[in-house]
Amino acid sequence: QLQLQESGPGLVKPSETLALTCTVSGGSINNNNYFWGWVRQPPGEGLEWIGTIHYKGSTHYNPSLKSRVTISLDTSKNQFSLKLSSVTAADTGVYFCVRRVVVPGAIADSFDSWGQGTLVTVSS
Amino acid sequence: DIQMTQSPSFLSASVGDRVTITCRASQTIRTYLNWYRQKPGEAPTLLIYGASSLQAGVPSRFSGSGSGADFTLTISSLQPEDFATYYCQQSYSLPFTFGPGTKVDIK
Repeated sequence: QLQLQESGPGLVKPSETLALTCTVSGGSINNNNYFWGWVRQPPGEGLEWIGTIHYKGSTHYNPSLKSRVTISLDTSKNQFSLKLSSVTAADTGVYFCVRRVVVPGAIADSFDSWGQGTLVTVSS
Repeated sequence: DIQMTQSPSFLSASVGDRVTITCRASQTIRTYLNWYRQKPGEAPTLLIYGASSLQAGVPSRFSGSGSGADFTLTISSLQPEDFATYYCQQSYSLPFTFGPGTKVDIK
């Protein structure tokens, strides 16, 4: 069974870079039908898509964050990572790593697997 | 960006009730609409994809319908584990966007 697990610091200072890693187990990230990415949720609020990456290298980012976001893959470790620079208090929230499944020719493009989430607080 | 709205924002219901939640997109998204359930303190889980397809392992009391810009999630008989927040999400175009959520509480 596929499992995703986030890891990284729970506290980041303003203006610094938030860095998280997602470790995938029970499946390979080298699959043409899957993208890997991040969704975040500020405390008590809704969900915001951050971005996704495909193992062949294509990335898509939310324009609202694009200038500050980098998502990368380490296929040798079956991991992918998020870096968000110049953070402020508005970046505080729970960060989920997700698998996006895209089935060619079908109306199937959804986030079908989620990590448990990790709370990141931006504070000095 | 495509804006997603949901109604109601909050509803109170009892175990066994039939519950309907509506989601509307700011433009047509064909059937690129997904539904998620988020229990308190947990990650969201996928219930419905492609507007009406039941995700594997999801109970058949959940169903989805709609196309274009208007969609519905129905729970035919509410169970204790269904007291949660429900989100719709469009995958028609980037950036992917979610609705604001509908919280289902115990009456």
